[in-house]
Amino acid sequence: GAVVSQHPSRVICKSGTSVKIECRSLDFQATTMFWYRQFPKQSLMLMATSNEGSKATYEQGVEKDKFLINHASLTLSTLTVTSAHPEDSSFYICSASWTSDDQPQHFGDGTRLSIL
Amino acid sequence: GESVGLHLPTLSVQEGDNSIINCAYSNSASDYFIWYKQESGKGPQFIIDIRSNMDKRQGQRVTVLLNKTVKHLSLQIAATQPGDSAVYFCAESLTGGGNKLTFGTGTQLKVEL
Repeated sequence: GAVVSQHPSRVICKSGTSVKIECRSLDFQATTMFWYRQFPKQSLMLMATSNEGSKATYEQGVEKDKFLINHASLTLSTLTVTSAHPEDSSFYICSASWTSDDQPQHFGDGTRLSIL
Repeated sequence: GESVGLHLPTLSVQEGDNSIINCAYSNSASDYFIWYKQESGKGPQFIIDIRSNMDKRQGQRVTVLLNKTVKHLSLQIAATQPGDSAVYFCAESLTGGGNKLTFGTGTQLKVEL
């Protein structure tokens, strides 16, 4: 149980393109989804927290107009990297949880974004 | 931005030996701690968690120890296997697993045959 699916797994695109990444909870309803960014050989850095039906809460230093997050249903959240540039190239990972305190977050397998 | 040349701390163990991975956490107010395993190119996988009102918790082949006095967390893996090779991250939260997690720097575990 507690499967989180992320799509696509890899994206290669030109500079200036906007890229959408989907995160789905397959067998549970996710009250909260989280988006992380991870550079090679580094830890996961939280970008934003999204709750179904409300605006995402962004971490300090993360541009909300650059990284658009939509959490339209209890099973789907999307991250759109707008007008992507090479410095946005990274591994983006989502996680989902269905209760606030008692259960661990479950992670998707990430999206490798490469901007040429 | 991206740091070039950054290396994760590495722990090398022989197959069958026990592994101990350590983590220093930052916030004395954290109430929940968790260990994740991340294989190359994949997302983190839950291993074990512990609340601040406990100092030890055991799972299958894994044990987490919490020392709140010195803000230290450790993960012990018994009879380490090649499939245990991965990067291990600790994370902390003020309230629980479903809320904001702050991740540690990670440790690369390499199991030698």
